[in-house]
Amino acid sequence: QKEVEQDPGPLSVPEGAIVSLNCTYSNSAFQYFMWYRQYSRKGPELLMYTYSSGNKEDGRFTAQVDKSSKYISLFIRDSQPSDSATYLCAMSGRDDKIIFGKGTRLHILP
Amino acid sequence: KAGVTQTPRYLIKTRGQQVTLSCSPISGHRSVSWYQQTPGQGLQFLFEYFSETQRNKGNFPGRFSGRQFSNSRSEMNVSTLELGDSALYLCASSSTGRDLSYEQYFGPGTRLTVT
Repeated sequence: QKEVEQDPGPLSVPEGAIVSLNCTYSNSAFQYFMWYRQYSRKGPELLMYTYSSGNKEDGRFTAQVDKSSKYISLFIRDSQPSDSATYLCAMSGRDDKIIFGKGTRLHILP
Repeated sequence: KAGVTQTPRYLIKTRGQQVTLSCSPISGHRSVSWYQQTPGQGLQFLFEYFSETQRNKGNFPGRFSGRQFSNSRSEMNVSTLELGDSALYLCASSSTGRDLSYEQYFGPGTRLTVT
C-alpha cells in the first residue's frame, strides 16, 4: 500500500461548482498536512497547511483532516477557470520528510 | 522579493554523463530542498540542506548528491545519468529555523532529459 494515495483525475467540473479533492494515507504518524497547486510549467505553490485534525478555511478554500479515517480533503467553492491546475496533497510526520500524492488534474469548464 | 530561481531551465544529456543543477533561494531563506517529479512517481524528496549541512535525505541512490554554499545557494549533482533520471527537478526554499518549515516556496524547476 502506498503511503499517500490520490486519484490522478482528470476531474472536470463546471465553473461555479464546489470541487472536492481527496487523499488517503496509511502512516498514522503523519501530523502535518498540506495542499499545493501546480500550474503547467510551474513549481508547486502552497495553498493550505494544517496541523493534526480539523478544518481550516482560507477564502474559497477549505482543508479538512480526518486522522481517524486517514483521509484529507480540499474543497474549492465557487470554482473559477483559473483554478484549473494539478492539486497535490502532501504530509509529514516526526521525521520531517514530506510525502506527496501524485496529484489530481482539475479542469474548470467555463 | 525575488522568488526561487533555478538554472538551467532545460537540459538534455546522454546516458553516463553527469549534470549539475543550481538553485538560488529566496533572500534570507536558509533551507533548500530538492525534489524529483515524474509522471509515474510524482514528487519525491531528494534531500534538504540547512546552513550548508544536509539535514534530511530521501531514498535515492548515491549518484544523487548536493551541497549548499554559505550564501544558501545550492547545487544538485547527478552522476552516471540513466534514462530514468529524466524528470523535472524542483528546488524549494524556506526560512525554517530549527524545525522543518512547511511553508516552502518552489522554483520553476529544471527539466532534465536523458537520451
